[in-house]
Amino acid sequence: KQEVTQIPAALSVPEGENLVLNCSFTDSAIYNLQWFRQDPGKGLTSLLLIQSSQREQTSGRLNASLDKSSGRSTLYIAASQPGDSATYLCAVRPTGGSYIPTFGRGTSLIVHP
Amino acid sequence: GAGVSQSPSNKVTEKGKDVELRCDPISGHTALYWYRQSLGQGLEFLIYFQGNSAPDKSGLPSDRFSAERTGGSVSTLTIQRTQQEDSAVYLCASSLGTGTVGGYTFGSGTRLTVV
Repeated sequence: KQEVTQIPAALSVPEGENLVLNCSFTDSAIYNLQWFRQDPGKGLTSLLLIQSSQREQTSGRLNASLDKSSGRSTLYIAASQPGDSATYLCAVRPTGGSYIPTFGRGTSLIVHP
Repeated sequence: GAGVSQSPSNKVTEKGKDVELRCDPISGHTALYWYRQSLGQGLEFLIYFQGNSAPDKSGLPSDRFSAERTGGSVSTLTIQRTQQEDSAVYLCASSLGTGTVGGYTFGSGTRLTVV
């Protein structure tokens, strides 16, 4: 059974810091890994999607990397801003079975001015 | 549609009443997922539809929960005889079918409060 772990569970930093959020998974048989952002009481917004054959994806101040063989992904946030405050979740899409994605519990990020 | 649409956005119901939550996926997305997120908790998988195949109901917490998907598009999640522990945000997601490399798109969710 796939298990996805996100570390740290919570993070509070001053504005301007560069951040690294970690996501690890136990089964490397995945199609892709997706990072989401969730604001309180809201749905999930997709940030980055990395295919299993890719090593990284970039969007603006965000960079996500994937090391499938070691079961790890990182989300790098450059020059953090208060507007980045949210919960960040990663999800892996399996290659077999019922194709149901497995989510981590998320990292709750607060960026204070 | 351009995104996944869920309705209602908020629902307050009395304990014991039945509720229906609706999800309209992205046009062309054959896979549809329902999740539940209780306050401060992670996403709990409920049910998965793929095309015309039988749904994967393995995540439904009790027989009070059911879901259907008509015409391979809109899905309705029904909770009968609601209990206070059913209070949560119910999220729907859709994706291209199995065997693809696409990601998931989520709706904004329905916040259900059982009083």
